[in-house]
Amino acid sequence: DAGVIQSPRHEVTEMGQEVTLRCKPISGHDYLFWYRQTMMRGLELLIYFNNNVPIDDSGMPEDRFSAKMPNASFSTLKIQPSEPRDSAVYFCASSLVGSYEQYFGPGTRLTVT
Amino acid sequence: QQPVQSPQAVILREGEDAVINCSSSKALYSVHWYRQKHGEAPVFLMILLKGGEQKGHEKISASFNEKKQQSSLYLTASQLSYSGTYFCGTENKLDNNDMRFGAGTRLTVKP
Repeated sequence: DAGVIQSPRHEVTEMGQEVTLRCKPISGHDYLFWYRQTMMRGLELLIYFNNNVPIDDSGMPEDRFSAKMPNASFSTLKIQPSEPRDSAVYFCASSLVGSYEQYFGPGTRLTVT
Repeated sequence: QQPVQSPQAVILREGEDAVINCSSSKALYSVHWYRQKHGEAPVFLMILLKGGEQKGHEKISASFNEKKQQSSLYLTASQLSYSGTYFCGTENKLDNNDMRFGAGTRLTVKP
């Protein structure tokens, strides 16, 4: 398997623009997680899905952030409008129910100027 | 609630041992340990479920004291490849088993 795939790997955008991050989980995995990592706040869980259904989005910073999982092989994290403080590395991870081990994608480094 | 890790950083010589601690203010269901090398994604090392079990991964092992709400990661006879940042992730029933990560412990192993 190719592992968790994220795109783009790097994104530079201007404040106010819409940003969409994409994730393809490992085939057959039931859970999908979105994390954000910054030097100041460390690794934060934003939202996670079970069988394409959002289970907990309490980690989503504010209404500017939204995530969808239209099918088992694809998820998006959207920021609209983006702000400089959104600059971070965004990771997507997936896991099998009962396995606990989360497999992380390579991350998307987002820079908002 | 984010777990607290200590120390924040540690520098070792090859072959030396280290202990990284992770504690929570809430009752824990499980503790996960990950290692992240600079510029890479976190990689799963092991999970410990409540019950005080101990696990090992090569020369890296961990314990989980449910009563004390803490876990420790033991790195024995460290190798250069052990360098990286170690994160503990905790799940507790109050958070509906959502995982929260500690701030990380940066481990540097020198020749």
